[in-house]
Amino acid sequence: QSALTQPASVSGSPGQSITISCTGTSSDVGGYNYVSWYQQHPGKAPKLMIYEVSNRPSGVSNRFSGSKSGNTASLTISGLQAEDEADYYCSSYTNNNAGVVFGGGTKLTVL
Amino acid sequence: QVQLVQSGAEVKKPGASVKVSCKASGYTFIGYYIHWVRQAPGQGLEWMGRINPNSGGTKYAQKFQGRVTMTRDTSISTAYMELSRLGSDDSAVFYCAKGQGNGMDVWGQGTTVTVSS
Repeated sequence: QSALTQPASVSGSPGQSITISCTGTSSDVGGYNYVSWYQQHPGKAPKLMIYEVSNRPSGVSNRFSGSKSGNTASLTISGLQAEDEADYYCSSYTNNNAGVVFGGGTKLTVL
Repeated sequence: QVQLVQSGAEVKKPGASVKVSCKASGYTFIGYYIHWVRQAPGQGLEWMGRINPNSGGTKYAQKFQGRVTMTRDTSISTAYMELSRLGSDDSAVFYCAKGQGNGMDVWGQGTTVTVSS
């Protein structure tokens, strides 16, 4: 299974908004509303931020939002804060072996 | 609270096998898939497969087919991942994660496996 495509890095200043894209195919992102987003700080386990394209788990700030158009999903973080600096990964269900595929990850730097 | 606690770090020689455990608590173990994810040093997340703790049914990523075995013991709410024929490129942190819908909402703390002669 090929990994989903994410930008290697994005950056923004405190208070600004940023968007991270996640591009797949009709076999994964485009074909199902099963995209998730994870935040990972250095040396820590990933944390679920968004599931099923746009749903936030309990306890996740509403500054985080997700969307999808065609084969590309997006994670938007508004009102950037220093604590948002982390790696972000998307994942999707894929009908290739009915499994899960991750994106390569995006490093977010808060300037 | 819902948590997954994994077994400790391992050091293995090339060609050996490693078995990592993942003990669940705070929820109904048989009600949710357990996924396994690998992260090599400085690299991204890689899905290895998942197990249905209720039925024991498994689904493995093609890359690991034939080399990975996922099992569970419902009596102690524990899932296991065994990876055989280890090579140096298998040195990584291995995570278990509880499935929720099509996401993974609770993660273990990770188990570091080092493969070295």
